[in-house]
Amino acid sequence: QVQLQESGPGLVKPSETLSLTCTVSGYSISSGYYWGWIRQPPGKGLEWIGSIYHSGSTYYNPSLKSRVTISVDTSKNQFSLKLSSVTAADTAVYYCAREGEDYSNLYYYYYMDVWGKGTTVTVSS
Amino acid sequence: EIVMTQSPATLSVSPGERATLSCRASQSVSSNLAWYQQKPGQAPRLLIYGASTRATGIPARFSGSGSGTEFTLTISSLQSEDFAVYYCQQYNNWPRIFTFGPGTKVDIK
Repeated sequence: QVQLQESGPGLVKPSETLSLTCTVSGYSISSGYYWGWIRQPPGKGLEWIGSIYHSGSTYYNPSLKSRVTISVDTSKNQFSLKLSSVTAADTAVYYCAREGEDYSNLYYYYYMDVWGKGTTVTVSS
Repeated sequence: EIVMTQSPATLSVSPGERATLSCRASQSVSSNLAWYQQKPGQAPRLLIYGASTRATGIPARFSGSGSGTEFTLTISSLQSEDFAVYYCQQYNNWPRIFTFGPGTKVDIK
């Protein structure tokens, strides 16, 4: 059974860098899939931040791209998120997730099929 | 940039009734559309992908349809555990981008 667990500071000061790690159990990141980060501000909807493959290939949400870095450590079976120059608008629950895939009718479909429980990050001085 | 919209924002339904949720994309996403359910304090749960394929373990009362720009999630007979917020999400192949809709809250009538 694949499980994901987010970890990191729950409070970050404005203008500093938010750093979170997602630890994967029950599946080796090196075996495949993209692994992603999604966030949800209080009372609002979901926003995809970006994702990474075990090779290090990354894709980012264009609206956050200038501030986001996602990295992977296959030896620890973890991937990480760094978001720089944070403001109060970055306060949210941050989720990590596996980006699953299915091949059907000559087409690949992609979706988030396994999620962590989420971790709350507050940006405040 | 593809923008996703969902309607209605809130849907009030009695247990046992049918619920129909809509999702619209600003341009065609083919069948690259997924639906998620989120309950308070929990992570989202994948219900449907490929517009109409139920994810593993999802009850048959959940069904998805549509392609292109118009999609529908139908819950045939609402159970108490189905009252939640539902999000649609599109996947763009190149560059790889996921975009969520704003959500529809299904509450008890």
